[in-house]
Amino acid sequence: DTGVSQDPRHKITKRGQNVTFRCDPISEHNRLYWYRQTLGQGPEFLTYFQNEAQLEKSRLLSDRFSAERPKGSFSTLEIQRTEQGDSAMYLCASSRLGGEAEQYFGPGTRLTVT
Amino acid sequence: GNSVTQMEGPVTLSEEAFLTINCTYTATGYPSLFWYVQYPGEGLQLLLKATKADDKGSNKGFEATYRKETTSFHLEKGSVQVSDSAVYFCALSDRSGAGSYQLTFGKGTKLSVIP
Repeated sequence: DTGVSQDPRHKITKRGQNVTFRCDPISEHNRLYWYRQTLGQGPEFLTYFQNEAQLEKSRLLSDRFSAERPKGSFSTLEIQRTEQGDSAMYLCASSRLGGEAEQYFGPGTRLTVT
Repeated sequence: GNSVTQMEGPVTLSEEAFLTINCTYTATGYPSLFWYVQYPGEGLQLLLKATKADDKGSNKGFEATYRKETTSFHLEKGSVQVSDSAVYFCALSDRSGAGSYQLTFGKGTKLSVIP
């Protein structure tokens, strides 16, 4: 069990650029979640995958955001035409199937949009 | 919708002091309740959980009891240590129609323990 990993850990980009983040969940975990955390706030749910299927998306996930989980393993979160309001920590979590399994969080990707 | 309200920080305590961080929730269903902790420079870790009314979660000397009548899940520890300095998040989850157990978090409470 190597834990959830995220890459990159930090990303600085100019407004209007596209960025992509990667999450590698714990290998046997079927569920994968993305959350966003801004300064002084708790994480907020963005989207949920069960295996390769994206089953739920938050209203926070605007049209500029897209997430994928090809083959049900790693996941990517892309933000197009970034805005300063997108600056935040993006967290990935994974868990097993079966009831309410514990979610294991990655270290996060900190995005700064200048 | 679901929401979690927790005590605003920061909280500063002397070593061996008693800790309480208040947490109340609003939920449409029957949620499970959690406390997560984020140590400096590290990711979120589950500290304890309770899945039904009157359950008590405990770990590392921390405790919290699921109180349905007061919709609360207050975190307590009898004697804090410097190593407990961290940000603490109260959270709930409730199974959605899509099968997600997404977490709804409070804003977090930063605890600093001084020697």
